[in-house]
Parts: sequence; C-alpha cells; structure tokens
Amino acid sequence: AQSVTQPDIHITVSEGASLELRCNYSYGATPYLFWYVQSPGQGLQLLLKYFSGDTLVQGIKGFEAEFKRSQSSFNLRKPSVHWSDAAEYFCAVGERYGGSQGNLIFGKGTKLSVKP
Amino acid sequence: DGGITQSPKYLFRKEGQNVTLSCEQNLNHDAMYWYRQDPGQGLRLIYYSQIVNDFQKGDIAEGYSVSREKKESFPLTVTSAQKNPTAFYLCASSSPSDGGPDTQYFGPGTRLTVL
Repeated sequence: AQSVTQPDIHITVSEGASLELRCNYSYGATPYLFWYVQSPGQGLQLLLKYFSGDTLVQGIKGFEAEFKRSQSSFNLRKPSVHWSDAAEYFCAVGERYGGSQGNLIFGKGTKLSVKP
Repeated sequence: DGGITQSPKYLFRKEGQNVTLSCEQNLNHDAMYWYRQDPGQGLRLIYYSQIVNDFQKGDIAEGYSVSREKKESFPLTVTSAQKNPTAFYLCASSSPSDGGPDTQYFGPGTRLTVL
C-alpha cells in the first residue's frame, strides 16, 4: 500500500540556519509528490510539487525539494530559516491512476520551531 | 476573490446531535474532498467527490455523510454515529494541471468540539 513517512515529529532550528525536512514514500509507480505548510488553526498551503522532469523543484517562500528515486525520498530544504517559517509541514503522495486518481496520501507532519 | 470557504470556523455539538459543516468553492473545480485532522495523525480522507452528484468513501467514512448537488458545494454531516467527532475538519478542491497532477487547495478549516 502507498504510504508516506515523515521521520521527524518536531524539529527546532535557529533563525538563519539551514533546514531539511525528510519525507520518504512508498508507491508502485513514479509518484506525484507535494509539500504543504500549515500555520496553527489554518488550512494547508501548497509549497511545491513534483511530477516529472527536473528532480530539484523550487517552491514559494524560498523552499525547494529534491526527488530521489533511489532513496524514495522527497526532502524539503531552505537555506536560511525565518521566524515566520515556524509551522507544521506535510508531505503527500498523489494517486496517479484509477478511481482515486487525484487523491492524496499524507504523512503525519513535522512541526518546525524556530529559535531567535 | 477565488477560493474555498468553510463555515463555521468553530462549532460546538452536544453528544447525539448531527451537525453539518459547510464547504463552498468558486474555483470551478470538479473535485472536492473532506479530511479530518487530529494531532499527530496527519490528514485522513473522509469522503471525496470527483463530479457533481457522485461521491466516494475515503478511509474513515463511518459516521459521516456528504452530498454534492452543486459543483461549488460539498457539505459534510457529522452524525451521532461518529464516536469521536472532536477534530479539525478541512475541505479541499482540486484542478488538473497541464500534464501534471491534480493539485488540491484547502479551505481554512472548521474546528468541531463535542461537549
């Protein structure tokens, strides 16, 4: 069965430091992959997505993610974190085929705290 | 302004009552979704609808019902059969992109609390 694993429940980084959030997936075909961000009590905002082509994807707010097929990973990175990046981040795999095409399978999220 | 609206933002329910959560979109999207979010659990799919007058059960449909009579509206009813309904509920809609995946866009959510 398809699944998404975010190994880190909570990460704390200092403002200005670099960030990498991990995401591993299990999917039988080439996946559609997404990263979303959620501020407390809010909906989810799309940061970036991958479906084909260049394996390094640029998103909004200075985030990028790299698809590595050999490692079944889609890690999210930012070179310098700002205090406003404190939020919860969700990785998701999109169903490509069949009756549930377009559905998303979410990881359980990684909460990011930023130290001043 | 295009987007997805959910109402109310906060909802309180007594045990044994049915309640309906509203979700409206003006993005002209065909597909709509309902998720439940609990702390540390990520998002779990309740129901989805890929076209008007059709919907499918997701992973945790028991105790919930939906309708899709209009393209822009996808209300969710939490019935008294749902044993633990206190949660944050998120609605989404999606649009196919050229050559790529459907991309889901989310509403601001409704927090339901059972008293």
